[in-house]
Amino acid sequence: DAGVTQSPTHLIKTRGQQVTLRCSPKSGHDTVSWYQQALGQGPQFIFQYYEEEERQRGNFPDRFSGHQFPNYSSELNVNALLLGDSALYLCASSLAGAGETQYFGPGTRLLVL
Amino acid sequence: GENVEQHPSTLSVQEGDSAVIKCTYSDSASNYFPWYKQELGKRPQLIIDIRSNVGEKKDQRIAVTLNKTAKHFSLHITETQPEDSAVYFCAAIQSGNTPLVFGKGTRLSVIA
Repeated sequence: DAGVTQSPTHLIKTRGQQVTLRCSPKSGHDTVSWYQQALGQGPQFIFQYYEEEERQRGNFPDRFSGHQFPNYSSELNVNALLLGDSALYLCASSLAGAGETQYFGPGTRLLVL
Repeated sequence: GENVEQHPSTLSVQEGDSAVIKCTYSDSASNYFPWYKQELGKRPQLIIDIRSNVGEKKDQRIAVTLNKTAKHFSLHITETQPEDSAVYFCAAIQSGNTPLVFGKGTRLSVIA
């Protein structure tokens, strides 16, 4: 039973660039949530995807966008990168209608220079 | 929206002692409360959770208690071991359609 996977594991970008992060949910899960975790902080909710649509969104600017594919995998895109976007980006998968339990992937550590 | 406060921010205990981490939440509609353990450089790992229709849940050395009236819940780790050293996060959620709201975390150090 495959767990949540993310790619890449690490990424270095410069200010103004764009980045795409990828997530494959746990086998059998259909909902993907994305979180940003700054150093020393708890994860902050970015958005959640279900049935290929953004269902909920946290307090993040439009530079952050996402997508969910028919196989339930998901992408997080960040445009016009800022130094403050440096963080660990986590995705979590869950099964809609089966409770709220979310399982996290290993994360992508993004460094913006 | 939901707000979760977590205390203490750091906690040091001797090996074998107990550790208690406390969280309060603001939204009375929240009904699911997971706890995650995050080791350095690794993913948050679900260690225990509790739903609002239960007051206490135990899994070996770990237990969680929930007081819905006071809107607080606590993590109890007994007989602590060095491998329990990590950052622990509490969270609250209303339903699967709403986001997990995390506390700021507690860095637990178990001293051998």
